[in-house]
Amino acid sequence: DQQVKQNSPSLSVQEGRISILNCDYTNSMFDYFLWYKKYPAEGPTFLISISSIKDKNEDGRFTVFLNKSAKHLSLHIVPSQPGDSAVYFCAASGAGNTGKLIFGQGTTLQVKP
Amino acid sequence: DTGVSQDPRHKITKRGQNVTFRCDPISEHNRLYWYRQTLGQGPEFLTYFQNEAQLEKSRLLSDRFSAERPKGSFSTLEIQRTEQGDSAMYLCASSLVGPDTQYFGPGTRLTVL
Repeated sequence: DQQVKQNSPSLSVQEGRISILNCDYTNSMFDYFLWYKKYPAEGPTFLISISSIKDKNEDGRFTVFLNKSAKHLSLHIVPSQPGDSAVYFCAASGAGNTGKLIFGQGTTLQVKP
Repeated sequence: DTGVSQDPRHKITKRGQNVTFRCDPISEHNRLYWYRQTLGQGPEFLTYFQNEAQLEKSRLLSDRFSAERPKGSFSTLEIQRTEQGDSAMYLCASSLVGPDTQYFGPGTRLTVL
C-alpha cells in the first residue's frame, strides 16, 4: 500500500515560471511533511518541511502548502531556475513515534532555459 | 564537513559474498536511519537507532541483513550472502529525537553480479 503518492512522474517548466509539485497521502496520522531534492548518484537534500498544525511554510523561492482535509501537499518553486532540475520527493512521518519517513515515488523536474 | 558521511560510495560484489557499509551521522544527532532506494522509487525505510538501541526494523530487512550502532555513534549495515535483488542505493540519515528533519548521506551504491 502506497501511503504517499506523487502521481506525476515528470514535470517540465520554463525558466522563471512557477513549478508546482504535488503529493497525496492516505494516513491521517502523519503530522510532519518534508520535501527533498535529489540529484543522480547523491543522497536526498532537505528543502523544506511543514508541520500538520500549519497550512503554509515559505523559505525563499520554496513554499509548501498543506491541505489536511484533502490529504494533499504541494511544493511551489518561484521563480524556477535550471539548477532546480532534479528529482523531488515528498515524505511524511508521524504514524508512530519513530520518525521514520515514508516517501513518494518522486517527480522529475526539468527547468528549461 | 559536518554532514552525514557514508563509506564506501560504491560497492560491486559477487552473489553470495558478504558486504558491510558504514555511516557516520551528524555528531549531535541521536537518531540514525537506514533506507534503501531502487530505480524509479523513493527511499524505503529499513531500520533505525536511537542512540545505540535498534528500535524498529522493516519487514524488508531479511535475516541476511544486520545493523549495529555501537556506542551510539557510527553505524554499520551488513548484508550476508548477497543476492542480485539486493542491488540498490543504501542511504543513511540522522536526526534529533522527535519530528525532526532527517539529513541524508550520499549513499552507497551496491551492485551484486
